[in-house]
Amino acid sequence: DAGVTQSPTHLIKTRGQHVTLRCSPISGHKSVSWYQQVLGQGPQFIFQYYEKEERGRGNFPDRFSARQFPNYSSELNVNALLLGDSALYLCASSHGHSVYGYTFGSGTRLTVV
Amino acid sequence: AQKVTQAQTEISVVEKEDVTLDCVYETRDTTYYLFWYKQPPSGELVFLIRRNSFDEQNEISGRYSWNFQKSTSSFNFTITASQVVDSAVYFCALSDPSGTYKYIFGTGTRLKVLA
Repeated sequence: DAGVTQSPTHLIKTRGQHVTLRCSPISGHKSVSWYQQVLGQGPQFIFQYYEKEERGRGNFPDRFSARQFPNYSSELNVNALLLGDSALYLCASSHGHSVYGYTFGSGTRLTVV
Repeated sequence: AQKVTQAQTEISVVEKEDVTLDCVYETRDTTYYLFWYKQPPSGELVFLIRRNSFDEQNEISGRYSWNFQKSTSSFNFTITASQVVDSAVYFCALSDPSGTYKYIFGTGTRLKVLA
C-alpha cells in the first residue's frame, strides 16, 4: 500500500513568488494535516482538514492557505514567499482524529532565495 | 499552554550502548496523548508509539522501551543495545483530544550511534 505521498520533493523559489505543495493521503484516510519544519526545529502545525473542511489552523499568516479535495488529497499554498518560509513541509494523514497516530509523508523541501 | 521539552539536543553513543531520550511535557488537559516519532535523514516521520494519559504502563517493543510517569510529566524513550541504524532525530509529541487534535512537537534529539 502506498504511504502518504508528497510532491514535489524539492523546490526552489524566489522571494515574492507563490508555491503550491501537494499531498495524497493513504487510501481510506480522510484527515490531512500540514506541518512546517524549519531546520533544527520540531514540526509546527499549520492546518488540519477532515472530510474537506478546515478543522484547525496554526499560528501562520494569511499567506498560507490550504484545501482538501473530494478524493481527500490536499494542497498547501503559500503566497508572497519570504526567506523564512524555507523549510520542510510535511503532510500527514489519518483515519480520523490524530489520537490514532498520523502517518507522515517524506515532505517537500522548499528553499526560498 | 501545552509544551513539550526535549532538553537533549544531541547524543552520541557507541554501538551496543543503551541510551535514553528524555521528554517532559506540559498540559492542563486530563486526557491527552503522547507520541514518539523517528526522523531519519530521508525526512519522513516514522511513528513509534502512542500512549494515552490513562495508561501509565511501561511498554517494551524489541530494543525499544518507554517509561511514562504522570507524576513528573515525563515520557522517556530507551533504546537498548543501540545500532547504527538507530541514528536519527527523535521527536516527542503531545496531542490534545479536542479541537484541532494538532500535535505539539518537541525540538527533537539527534541520536548518533557510532560503529
